[in-house]
Amino acid sequence: EVQLVQSGAEVRKPGDCLKISCTASGYSFTNYWIGWVRQMPGKGLEWMGIIYPRDSDTRYNPSFQGQVVISVDKSITTAYLQWGSLKATDAATYYCARWDSGAGKDRGFDSWGQGTLVTVSS
Amino acid sequence: EIVMTQSPATLSVSPGERATLSCRASQSVSFKLAWYQQKPGQAPRLLIHGSSTRATGVPDRFSGSGSGTEFTLTISSLQSEDSALYYCQQYMNWPPLTFGGGTKVEIK
Repeated sequence: EVQLVQSGAEVRKPGDCLKISCTASGYSFTNYWIGWVRQMPGKGLEWMGIIYPRDSDTRYNPSFQGQVVISVDKSITTAYLQWGSLKATDAATYYCARWDSGAGKDRGFDSWGQGTLVTVSS
Repeated sequence: EIVMTQSPATLSVSPGERATLSCRASQSVSFKLAWYQQKPGQAPRLLIHGSSTRATGVPDRFSGSGSGTEFTLTISSLQSEDSALYYCQQYMNWPPLTFGGGTKVEIK
């Protein structure tokens, strides 16, 4: 069974750094892109970026480029999303999700983590 | 960036009735369109990819259609458990992958 398990809720102050994680199991980790999606309170889904664990090829939404860093540790089948300096507007739930592109055909985000709630408040 | 627009924002449908959700792309995305369902407090779930292919385990009352710029998600006979937010997403031209703003389906 494919599973993506995310790290727990975080409370930080503006200006703090933060790294959240997404640990995958039940499939070949290096063969699927892992993406990150933001959902601000009461709002819709926003795609932030995506990483291919085999070679760490990373693509960012221009709206998030320079604001976050996406990385991966293949040895522990874990992807990360990190901020160098949080803003109050970064408060949201963040989801990781597996992008299904088997046999060279894209099929969408077919498995999702449970979400990590990030609270940013002074 | 391809902009995805969903309508209506909210849809109220009686149990057993048909629900029809629309998604429009600002330029052609061919058949590269997915639909997701999100229930309160839960992560999204993939329903449809390739405009019309149901994901594994999705009931056949959910169907997708369309190509180019106009797409439809139909729930043929609405069940109480179908009350949720529904999002479309294009993957024709990425980055960025883009989602629509969502349609909330309520049970009347």
